[in-house]
Amino acid sequence: LAKTTQPISMDSYEGQEVNITCSHNNIATNDYITWYQQFPSQGPRFIIQGYKTKVTNEVASLFIPADRKSSTLSLPRVSLSDTAVYYCLGSSGTYKYIFGTGTRLKVLA
Amino acid sequence: KAGVTQTPRYLIKTRGQQVTLSCSPISGHRSVSWYQQTPGQGLQFLFEYFSETQRNKGNFPGRFSGRQFSNSRSEMNVSTLELGDSALYLCASSPRTDLNTEAFFGQGTRLTVV
Repeated sequence: LAKTTQPISMDSYEGQEVNITCSHNNIATNDYITWYQQFPSQGPRFIIQGYKTKVTNEVASLFIPADRKSSTLSLPRVSLSDTAVYYCLGSSGTYKYIFGTGTRLKVLA
Repeated sequence: KAGVTQTPRYLIKTRGQQVTLSCSPISGHRSVSWYQQTPGQGLQFLFEYFSETQRNKGNFPGRFSGRQFSNSRSEMNVSTLELGDSALYLCASSPRTDLNTEAFFGQGTRLTVV
């Protein structure tokens, strides 16, 4: 059974860049790495997805090393509204959708 | 485009009862997956359906079951409820079944077992 590991919590200040790293062993060769954001009492929301190297969209960047055993979500210039739980999504092949433990990000004014 | 709709939003049941939760995916999405979220265990995958067939299953007892209809709507059923089944049950839909597809989540059904 695949296991993903993330820091349990992180604090940051508004305007700073935040990097959250997830380790994921047993990720399947053909699978992508995906990050989701979740606010209280809501379902998770897709942030970004990548296979290797670096991917960037309007809200975040995703860095994946060559061995693909980890990934780092980078949030530039966070604001108070970025306070949420962030999950990385891995796969073991059999149990296909495995969410990490989640990282509770708190952005302070 | 309407999002993923889950009904009911809240539910209170008694131990030993059974419950059925419903999920209407985004129009055109054929994959529906279900998750259980609890404070202690986090988000755990229950099962996934695609074109009325269960494609993947998580590590849950047989009391948890599901099905998908021809219009892609899905239901999950939990029989002989236990206190530990109290959780937020989330449904997600996506156009395909592979992991390399964005999944859209509903707001969930909060089930309380007393």
